[in-house]
Amino acid sequence: KQEVTQIPAALSVPEGENLVLNCSFTDSAIYNLQWFRQDPGKGLTSLLLIQSSQREQTSGRLNASLDKSSGRSTLYIAASQPGDSATYLCAVRWYSSASKIIFGSGTRLSIRP
Amino acid sequence: NAGVTQTPKFRVLKTGQSMTLLCAQDMNHEYMYWYRQDPGMGLRLIHYSVGEGTTAKGEVPDGYNVSRLKKQNFLLGLESAAPSQTSVYFCASSYSTGGPPSYNEQFFGPGTRLTVL
Repeated sequence: KQEVTQIPAALSVPEGENLVLNCSFTDSAIYNLQWFRQDPGKGLTSLLLIQSSQREQTSGRLNASLDKSSGRSTLYIAASQPGDSATYLCAVRWYSSASKIIFGSGTRLSIRP
Repeated sequence: NAGVTQTPKFRVLKTGQSMTLLCAQDMNHEYMYWYRQDPGMGLRLIHYSVGEGTTAKGEVPDGYNVSRLKKQNFLLGLESAAPSQTSVYFCASSYSTGGPPSYNEQFFGPGTRLTVL
Protein backbone atom coordinates (compact mmCIF):
# COMPACT_ATOMS: atom_id res chain seq x y z
CA LYS A 1 0.00 0.00 0.00
CA GLN A 2 1.28 3.47 -0.88
CA GLU A 3 1.57 5.57 2.26
CA VAL A 4 3.05 8.89 3.34
CA THR A 5 4.25 9.46 6.90
CA GLN A 6 5.27 12.65 8.66
CA ILE A 7 7.02 12.53 12.01
CA PRO A 8 6.84 14.31 14.40
CA ALA A 9 3.21 15.36 14.46
CA ALA A 10 4.15 18.58 16.24
CA LEU A 11 7.33 20.59 16.66
CA SER A 12 8.13 23.74 18.67
CA VAL A 13 11.37 25.68 18.21
CA PRO A 14 12.61 29.15 19.17
CA GLU A 15 12.70 31.90 16.58
CA GLY A 16 15.82 32.07 14.45
CA GLU A 17 16.59 28.36 14.42
CA ASN A 18 17.08 26.37 11.26
CA LEU A 19 14.83 23.33 11.22
CA VAL A 20 14.02 20.24 9.18
CA LEU A 21 10.64 18.62 8.63
CA ASN A 22 10.51 15.01 7.53
CA CYS A 23 8.36 13.09 5.09
CA SER A 24 8.73 9.40 4.29
CA PHE A 25 6.92 7.34 1.68
CA THR A 26 6.57 3.73 0.69
CA ASP A 27 7.29 2.71 -2.92
CA SER A 28 10.16 4.70 -4.39
CA ALA A 29 8.57 4.94 -7.87
CA ILE A 30 7.16 8.37 -7.24
CA TYR A 31 6.16 10.85 -9.95
CA ASN A 32 6.53 13.93 -7.77
CA LEU A 33 6.31 15.19 -4.21
CA GLN A 34 4.72 18.44 -3.09
CA TRP A 35 5.06 20.36 0.17
CA PHE A 36 2.12 22.46 1.39
CA ARG A 37 1.51 24.89 4.20
CA GLN A 38 -1.84 25.11 5.99
CA ASP A 39 -2.74 27.88 8.41
CA PRO A 40 -5.46 27.18 11.02
CA GLY A 41 -8.91 27.17 9.45
CA LYS A 42 -7.51 27.83 5.99
CA GLY A 43 -6.85 25.94 2.80
CA LEU A 44 -3.54 24.61 1.56
CA THR A 45 -0.84 26.72 -0.04
CA SER A 46 1.69 25.02 -2.28
CA LEU A 47 5.28 25.66 -1.22
CA LEU A 48 7.48 23.47 -3.39
CA LEU A 49 7.05 20.69 -5.91
CA ILE A 50 9.86 18.23 -6.68
CA GLN A 51 9.70 16.05 -9.75
CA SER A 52 11.11 12.50 -9.52
CA SER A 53 14.12 13.50 -11.62
CA GLN A 54 15.07 16.32 -9.22
CA ARG A 55 17.03 16.17 -5.97
CA GLU A 56 15.93 19.48 -4.48
CA GLN A 57 13.95 22.67 -4.94
CA THR A 58 14.46 26.03 -3.28
CA SER A 59 12.20 29.00 -2.65
CA GLY A 60 13.46 31.78 -0.42
CA ARG A 61 14.22 30.34 3.02
CA LEU A 62 12.76 26.97 2.09
CA ASN A 63 14.63 24.05 0.59
CA ALA A 64 13.06 20.69 -0.14
CA SER A 65 15.15 17.62 -0.90
CA LEU A 66 14.18 14.26 -2.30
CA ASP A 67 15.88 10.89 -1.85
CA LYS A 68 13.80 8.31 -3.65
CA SER A 69 16.02 5.36 -2.80
CA SER A 70 15.48 5.88 0.91
CA GLY A 71 11.87 7.00 0.53
CA ARG A 72 12.44 10.37 2.15
CA SER A 73 11.96 14.06 1.61
CA THR A 74 12.95 16.87 3.94
CA LEU A 75 11.79 20.47 4.10
CA TYR A 76 14.48 22.75 5.46
CA ILE A 77 13.43 26.12 6.86
CA ALA A 78 16.24 28.60 7.48
CA ALA A 79 16.16 31.31 10.13
CA SER A 80 12.64 30.45 11.31
CA GLN A 81 10.16 33.23 12.10
CA PRO A 82 6.90 33.27 14.10
CA GLY A 83 5.09 33.70 10.78
CA ASP A 84 6.31 30.24 9.77
CA SER A 85 4.01 28.70 12.39
CA ALA A 86 1.56 26.47 10.53
CA THR A 87 0.96 22.84 9.63
CA TYR A 88 3.19 21.51 6.89
CA LEU A 89 1.97 18.65 4.73
CA CYS A 90 3.73 16.60 2.14
CA ALA A 91 1.91 14.83 -0.66
CA VAL A 92 3.16 12.20 -3.08
CA ARG A 93 2.06 11.22 -6.56
CA TRP A 94 3.17 7.80 -7.80
CA TYR A 95 3.58 6.67 -11.41
CA SER A 96 1.22 3.75 -10.82
CA SER A 97 -1.60 6.11 -9.78
CA ALA A 98 -0.46 9.40 -11.23
CA SER A 99 -3.86 11.02 -11.39
CA LYS A 100 -4.13 11.26 -7.59
CA ILE A 101 -1.90 12.14 -4.66
CA ILE A 102 -1.63 10.82 -1.13
CA PHE A 103 -1.07 13.17 1.81
CA GLY A 104 0.84 12.71 5.03
CA SER A 105 -0.92 13.72 8.23
CA GLY A 106 1.27 16.81 8.61
CA THR A 107 3.65 18.37 11.11
CA ARG A 108 2.28 21.23 13.20
CA LEU A 109 5.11 23.74 13.57
CA SER A 110 5.20 26.41 16.26
CA ILE A 111 7.92 29.07 16.28
CA ARG A 112 8.37 30.68 19.71
CA PRO A 113 9.28 34.40 19.68
CA ASN B 1 -8.36 34.94 -11.46
CA ALA B 2 -10.33 33.68 -8.49
CA GLY B 3 -8.46 30.35 -8.52
CA VAL B 4 -10.41 27.57 -6.80
CA THR B 5 -13.59 28.56 -5.00
CA GLN B 6 -15.93 26.47 -2.86
CA THR B 7 -19.50 27.04 -1.75
CA PRO B 8 -20.79 27.02 0.89
CA LYS B 9 -18.09 27.81 3.45
CA PHE B 10 -20.05 26.36 6.37
CA ARG B 11 -23.03 24.04 6.65
CA VAL B 12 -24.86 22.18 9.39
CA LEU B 13 -26.99 19.20 8.41
CA LYS B 14 -29.18 16.76 10.29
CA THR B 15 -28.60 13.05 9.85
CA GLY B 16 -30.27 11.85 6.68
CA GLN B 17 -30.36 15.20 4.92
CA SER B 18 -28.74 15.69 1.55
CA MET B 19 -26.60 18.47 0.16
CA THR B 20 -24.24 19.37 -2.66
CA LEU B 21 -20.90 21.11 -2.36
CA LEU B 22 -19.78 23.11 -5.35
CA CYS B 23 -16.19 23.59 -6.48
CA ALA B 24 -15.31 25.95 -9.30
CA GLN B 25 -11.97 26.77 -10.93
CA ASP B 26 -11.13 29.36 -13.54
CA MET B 27 -7.66 28.09 -14.49
CA ASN B 28 -8.79 25.72 -17.26
CA HIS B 29 -7.50 22.76 -15.27
CA GLU B 30 -8.28 19.26 -16.45
CA TYR B 31 -7.97 17.50 -13.09
CA MET B 32 -10.17 18.19 -10.08
CA TYR B 33 -10.26 16.52 -6.68
CA TRP B 34 -12.35 16.33 -3.52
CA TYR B 35 -10.66 15.65 -0.19
CA ARG B 36 -11.82 15.49 3.38
CA GLN B 37 -9.62 16.48 6.29
CA ASP B 38 -10.11 15.09 9.77
CA PRO B 39 -8.01 15.84 12.85
CA GLY B 40 -4.75 13.89 12.87
CA MET B 41 -5.49 12.17 9.57
CA GLY B 42 -4.26 14.57 6.92
CA LEU B 43 -6.25 14.81 3.71
CA ARG B 44 -7.95 11.78 2.21
CA LEU B 45 -9.08 11.65 -1.40
CA ILE B 46 -12.82 11.08 -1.86
CA HIS B 47 -13.29 11.28 -5.62
CA TYR B 48 -11.45 12.87 -8.50
CA SER B 49 -11.92 13.72 -12.15
CA VAL B 50 -9.40 13.76 -14.99
CA GLY B 51 -11.66 15.63 -17.36
CA GLU B 52 -15.15 16.81 -18.14
CA GLY B 53 -17.64 13.97 -17.91
CA THR B 54 -15.27 11.59 -16.08
CA THR B 55 -15.02 10.73 -12.39
CA ALA B 56 -13.19 8.11 -10.35
CA LYS B 57 -13.13 6.87 -6.77
CA GLY B 58 -10.43 7.82 -4.31
CA GLU B 59 -9.56 6.39 -0.92
CA VAL B 60 -12.86 7.06 0.89
CA PRO B 61 -15.69 7.28 -1.69
CA ASP B 62 -18.50 5.61 0.27
CA GLY B 63 -21.46 7.87 1.02
CA TYR B 64 -20.48 10.44 -1.62
CA ASN B 65 -21.24 11.00 -5.28
CA VAL B 66 -19.69 13.44 -7.72
CA SER B 67 -20.36 14.95 -11.11
CA ARG B 68 -18.23 16.88 -13.61
CA LEU B 69 -20.70 18.14 -16.20
CA LYS B 70 -18.62 21.23 -16.95
CA LYS B 71 -14.85 21.43 -17.01
CA GLN B 72 -14.74 24.25 -14.50
CA ASN B 73 -17.10 22.70 -11.94
CA PHE B 74 -16.86 19.62 -9.73
CA LEU B 75 -19.80 18.80 -7.47
CA LEU B 76 -19.71 16.62 -4.37
CA GLY B 77 -23.01 15.21 -3.16
CA LEU B 78 -24.07 13.63 0.10
CA GLU B 79 -27.35 11.78 -0.43
CA SER B 80 -27.99 10.86 3.21
CA ALA B 81 -25.62 12.63 5.58
CA ALA B 82 -24.18 10.77 8.57
CA PRO B 83 -22.31 12.14 11.62
CA SER B 84 -19.17 10.35 10.34
CA GLN B 85 -19.19 12.80 7.43
CA THR B 86 -18.56 15.73 9.74
CA SER B 87 -15.32 17.09 8.35
CA VAL B 88 -13.64 19.88 6.42
CA TYR B 89 -13.91 19.34 2.67
CA PHE B 90 -11.32 20.67 0.26
CA CYS B 91 -11.46 20.88 -3.49
CA ALA B 92 -8.30 21.06 -5.59
CA SER B 93 -7.38 21.26 -9.26
CA SER B 94 -4.36 20.85 -11.50
CA TYR B 95 -3.60 20.86 -15.21
CA SER B 96 -2.55 17.25 -15.66
CA THR B 97 0.26 14.86 -14.90
CA GLY B 98 2.16 15.53 -18.08
CA GLY B 99 3.91 18.57 -19.40
CA PRO B 100 6.17 20.87 -17.38
CA PRO B 101 6.37 20.47 -13.59
CA SER B 102 4.07 23.41 -13.03
CA TYR B 103 1.30 21.42 -14.66
CA ASN B 104 1.34 18.94 -11.80
CA GLU B 105 0.93 21.46 -9.02
CA GLN B 106 -2.36 21.25 -7.13
CA PHE B 107 -4.23 24.38 -6.15
CA PHE B 108 -6.68 24.24 -3.27
CA GLY B 109 -9.90 25.99 -2.39
CA PRO B 110 -10.52 27.49 1.08
CA GLY B 111 -12.57 24.54 2.32
CA THR B 112 -16.13 23.82 3.46
CA ARG B 113 -16.71 23.01 7.11
CA LEU B 114 -19.59 20.52 7.38
CA THR B 115 -21.20 19.39 10.60
CA VAL B 116 -23.74 16.55 10.63
CA LEU B 117 -25.81 16.33 13.79
